[in-house]
Amino acid sequence: DAGVTQSPTHLIKTRGQQVTLRCSPISGHKSVSWYQQVLGQGPQFIFQYYEKEERGRGNFPDRFSARQFPNYSSELNVNALLLGDSALYLCASSWSGGAAGNTIYFGEGSWLTVV
Amino acid sequence: GENVEQHPSTLSVQEGDSAVIKCTYSDSASNYFPWYKQELGKGPQLIIDIRSNVGEKKDQRIAVTLNKTAKHFSLHITETQPEDSAVYFCAAPYSSASKIIFGSGTRLSIRP
Repeated sequence: DAGVTQSPTHLIKTRGQQVTLRCSPISGHKSVSWYQQVLGQGPQFIFQYYEKEERGRGNFPDRFSARQFPNYSSELNVNALLLGDSALYLCASSWSGGAAGNTIYFGEGSWLTVV
Repeated sequence: GENVEQHPSTLSVQEGDSAVIKCTYSDSASNYFPWYKQELGKGPQLIIDIRSNVGEKKDQRIAVTLNKTAKHFSLHITETQPEDSAVYFCAAPYSSASKIIFGSGTRLSIRP
């Protein structure tokens, strides 16, 4: 079975532009979470979606938004990009919406560079 | 508050020796503690996890121990091999927000 798949793997954007990152969870998983990992740090929680509803939001500005589709895939959108948004964006999937007790698997991430 | 502290930040061990990484967490309601291995340029890979109803779990050369009273959990790697070199992250759920909080990571280097 395929793991968590993310696209694109690498992209370069200019300050002020908008970016959309995509994620397909493991087959059968209904929850998708997004994390931002800046070089040298641990992943930071951005959003969690379960059954197409937002279940959690981290401490990120409103420039960050996400959605989950009926097939449980997800998109993360970032508007008005800043240099500080340069990071590895990770998608994680799990079977259900509660973090407690659910095994969470990560994709390989999308590397975003803002210039 | 939500916090997971991880030590040490870097660890260098001789091939064949053991490595231990320690974490503490703040949310008393946390009941699931995964460990992830991240190699350069890749996403975090789940290597082992433990739930709060057990104190220890082993999988070949890897073991995790949990002390809920002290809010500590540790990763033990025995008979280390060159391929164990990576950054390791501990994590714990912050139950009220359905999210995972990660430690700051440990860069493990295995000396030949």
